[in-house]
Amino acid sequence: EVQLLESGGGLVQPGGSLRLSCAASGFTFNSYGMSWVRQAPGKGLEWVSGISGNGGATYFADSVKGRFTISRDNSKNTLYLQMNSLRAEDTAVYYCAKYFGLIPAAPQNYFDYWGQGTLVTVSS
Amino acid sequence: DIQMTQSPSSLSASVGDRVTITCRASQSIKNYLNWYQQKSGKAPKLLIYIASNLQSGVPSRFSGSASGTDFTLTISSLQPEDFATYYCQQSYSTPHTFGQGTKLEIK
Repeated sequence: EVQLLESGGGLVQPGGSLRLSCAASGFTFNSYGMSWVRQAPGKGLEWVSGISGNGGATYFADSVKGRFTISRDNSKNTLYLQMNSLRAEDTAVYYCAKYFGLIPAAPQNYFDYWGQGTLVTVSS
Repeated sequence: DIQMTQSPSSLSASVGDRVTITCRASQSIKNYLNWYQQKSGKAPKLLIYIASNLQSGVPSRFSGSASGTDFTLTISSLQPEDFATYYCQQSYSTPHTFGQGTKLEIK
């Protein structure tokens, strides 16, 4: 059974940093692209970032480019999101999601599994 | 970036009704359009991938279709468990943008 378990959320001041983790199990982790998707309170879904199976290709939304870094440790079956220079508008539930395929940029991709999310609140 | 526009933003319907939700892409995305269902406080769930393919385990009352840059999610006969918010998402190019969502409520 595929499981994705996010952690690392919490309250952080504007300008601060936070690292989210997503522990994966139930599938061959390095064979699939992974992604972070967020949802601000009462709002819709926003794709944030994606990473290929071997970690060699990464993709970011313009809203986080230069501030967020996505990475993965395939030996630990774990996905990360390093968030720096956080702003109030980054407040959201952050979901880890598994791509159907290896490369996020491959168009025939979609999210077949999601974690339950971790809440990040940016406030003073 | 490709913009995805869903309509309507909200919809009231009754159990047994046939419901259609539309998603329009700002440019060609071929058929690389996916649909997700999200219930309150829960993670999204994949319903339809690449416009018309039903995800395993999803009831057959859900279907998807495409015509150019317009995509449709149809629920043939609403069940109580279908009241939720529905999102389309394009996977043609990154960023993999979502529509703004359609909230389906009980009439």
